[in-house]
Amino acid sequence: QKEVEQNSGPLSVPEGAIASLNCTYSDRGSQSFFWYRQYSGKSPELIMSIYSNGDKEDGRFTAQLNKASQYVSLLIRDSQPSDSATYLCAVNGYYGGATNKLIFGTGTLLAVQP
Amino acid sequence: DAGVIQSPRHEVTEMGQEVTLRCKPISGHNSLFWYRQTMMRGLELLIYFNNNVPIDDSGMPEDRFSAKMPNASFSTLKIQPSEPRDSAVYFCASSYHSPTGEQFFGPGTRLTVL
Repeated sequence: QKEVEQNSGPLSVPEGAIASLNCTYSDRGSQSFFWYRQYSGKSPELIMSIYSNGDKEDGRFTAQLNKASQYVSLLIRDSQPSDSATYLCAVNGYYGGATNKLIFGTGTLLAVQP
Repeated sequence: DAGVIQSPRHEVTEMGQEVTLRCKPISGHNSLFWYRQTMMRGLELLIYFNNNVPIDDSGMPEDRFSAKMPNASFSTLKIQPSEPRDSAVYFCASSYHSPTGEQFFGPGTRLTVL
């Protein structure tokens, strides 16, 4: 099992729809969860952080965390073409190493169709 | 506030040459991370520093790679000698206090080794 797993996509949604991006992780002791957005040729940009079970909303973005299921998701409401990017999930954990660090998923490519 | 600063933004070199990448973290951040991103392997942590001390270098691919952080505002990643398989985008990121807290990325250095 991959440490942090995401569907690579592409996930195609029409403009104005809700985009749902999912991520699972393997370290049950993980405490910090992040979503980054990365446009082609650019660096990852932090868009959401979540540390507790439940939902956290910020504008059109909602992060959802379920530690029992080891699952974190990102919902984007009213999707816009400018949301088209790769979304990276990042989770902290030891993952067999000696130190606690962030592990990134491979990302889901989102394409919002006008 | 200035974000993470990296230089150079692009580097093209020939196999066998030494390459030095530079990073200035966000002022006040005391954790610094070097990542490498490729299509095949995604975003990989190479090494991270906390309070200028290397904490985890298990991601450094081999002895050709070395990193230093002589003070809180400067770090270098050196590759000597460089090889074509080192071609990738190298990102530097910084974080306040916690290695597993929110990380902010620089614009990256696109390295091409011919």
